[in-house]
Amino acid sequence: AQKITQTQPGMFVQEKEAVTLDCTYDTSDPSYGLFWYKQPSSGEMIFLIYQGSYDQQNATEGRYSLNFQKARKSANLVISASQLGDSAMYFCAMREGRDSGAGSYQLTFGKGTKLSVIP
Amino acid sequence: DSGVTQTPKHLITATGQRVTLRCSPRSGDLSVYWYQQSLDQGLQFLIQYYNGEERAKGNILERFSAQQFPDLHSELNLSSLELGDSALYFCASGRGSGLSTDTQYFGPGTRLTVL
Repeated sequence: AQKITQTQPGMFVQEKEAVTLDCTYDTSDPSYGLFWYKQPSSGEMIFLIYQGSYDQQNATEGRYSLNFQKARKSANLVISASQLGDSAMYFCAMREGRDSGAGSYQLTFGKGTKLSVIP
Repeated sequence: DSGVTQTPKHLITATGQRVTLRCSPRSGDLSVYWYQQSLDQGLQFLIQYYNGEERAKGNILERFSAQQFPDLHSELNLSSLELGDSALYFCASGRGSGLSTDTQYFGPGTRLTVL
């Protein structure tokens, strides 16, 4: 079973509008972290926002916010006031587990959503 | 700029050859992760090093190997290259501190083309 599911292969949004990119996850670990990364056409992976499983409040970073619904296992990214420069692939990722001294923090990625901002 | 550097940016080689990809982590980061991004497999974790020691292995082929040196830079060695190895290879670094806020920052990637 996929651990990270992004059901929207592509999305369009009008400039200055808000857009929500969906992400659902699957884990039985009580401790985990959820991340969103942006990959422009130039190829680099840019960290946007992080949400911890024990965080009580939804994370926000500038125009980015994370709508975290733990019971539904969803961690949707909300981009407010879209800009042309927001056109990119967006990846949701999860890191499971605590560091027991022998653990690892590798990320498991979803397949991504391609966002296109229309002027 | 994430502070993670990767060289070379582009690499074109032939089947059967061997290449080395290099990564320098952000200052203060002890963990280095290698990921492969291909059209058919998406982004996949390959291997992690923490302070010079291998910490975890993912979907890394036996033809691939990596190491982390005392100055914390890391190299990913790919040998007996096949057409299917063509991909974007990312290095990411993190504190490896065990804190929930530990974030991985990615380098610009090395685009490998095997002809």
